[in-house]
Amino acid sequence: KAGVTQTPRYLIKTRGQQVTLSCSPISGHRSVSWYQQTPGQGLQFLFEYFSETQRNKGNFPGRFSGRQFSNSRSEMNVSTLELGDSALYLCASSLHLSDTGELFFGEGSRLTVL
Amino acid sequence: AQSVTQLDSQVPVFEEAPVELRCNYSSSVSVYLFWYVQYPNQGLQLLLKYLSGSTLVESINGFEAEFNKSQTSFHLRKPSVHISDTAEYFCAVTKGSARQLTFGSGTQLTVLP
Repeated sequence: KAGVTQTPRYLIKTRGQQVTLSCSPISGHRSVSWYQQTPGQGLQFLFEYFSETQRNKGNFPGRFSGRQFSNSRSEMNVSTLELGDSALYLCASSLHLSDTGELFFGEGSRLTVL
Repeated sequence: AQSVTQLDSQVPVFEEAPVELRCNYSSSVSVYLFWYVQYPNQGLQLLLKYLSGSTLVESINGFEAEFNKSQTSFHLRKPSVHISDTAEYFCAVTKGSARQLTFGSGTQLTVLP
C-alpha cells in the first residue's frame, strides 16, 4: 500500500511569508505527527493529531499550527517565516492512538527560507 | 523529562567489520526504545524497537540492540556491515503509549570499501 505522502517536497520562501505543508497518511492510519529536522537542533516534535484533534504539542511558537481533516490528511502551517524555520519537515502516521509501535515517516518537505 | 544521548556523531567502519552505535537515555519512568534509520534524501524508517519482554531485539537486516535497564542503554550492533548500511541512525524513546518521540542527535555510519 502507498506510504506517507508529503507535498511539496521542496520549497523556497522569503522571510515574513507563510507556508502550508500537506501530509497524506497511510490508508487506515488515523494518527499523524509532525517533526522538524535541522542540523542544529536535530529532530524535534511539533504536534500530533488524531481524529481531527490535536493530542500533543511540542515546544514551538504559535506561528506553527496544524490541522487534520476527516480523511486523516493533515496540514501544517508556518506563518511569518524566519530564517531559522529552514528545515526538513517530516510527517509520520500510525494506526491508532493506543498503538505503541511503529511510526511511518514520509520523505519530508524541505523548506528553505531566504 | 526524557532525553537521549548518542555518543558518536560519526562512525566510519570498513565493510564486513562489526559496528556498535551507542545510545543512552534518561527517564524517570519506563520507556519504549527505538532505532530509526535515515538514508540520504529520505524519511526515517524503523529499524527495531523494544517495548517489553526479551531485552535483545533484532531487525530483518542483521542489526540487533540490547536494552540494558541498569545502564540505561540501547546500543545498536551489527557483526558485519555492508556498504548499503551507510546512513544516519537515530535512537529514540517514548513514554508509555504516547507517540511523541524524543530523538537523539543521530550517528552517521559510513561504511568504507
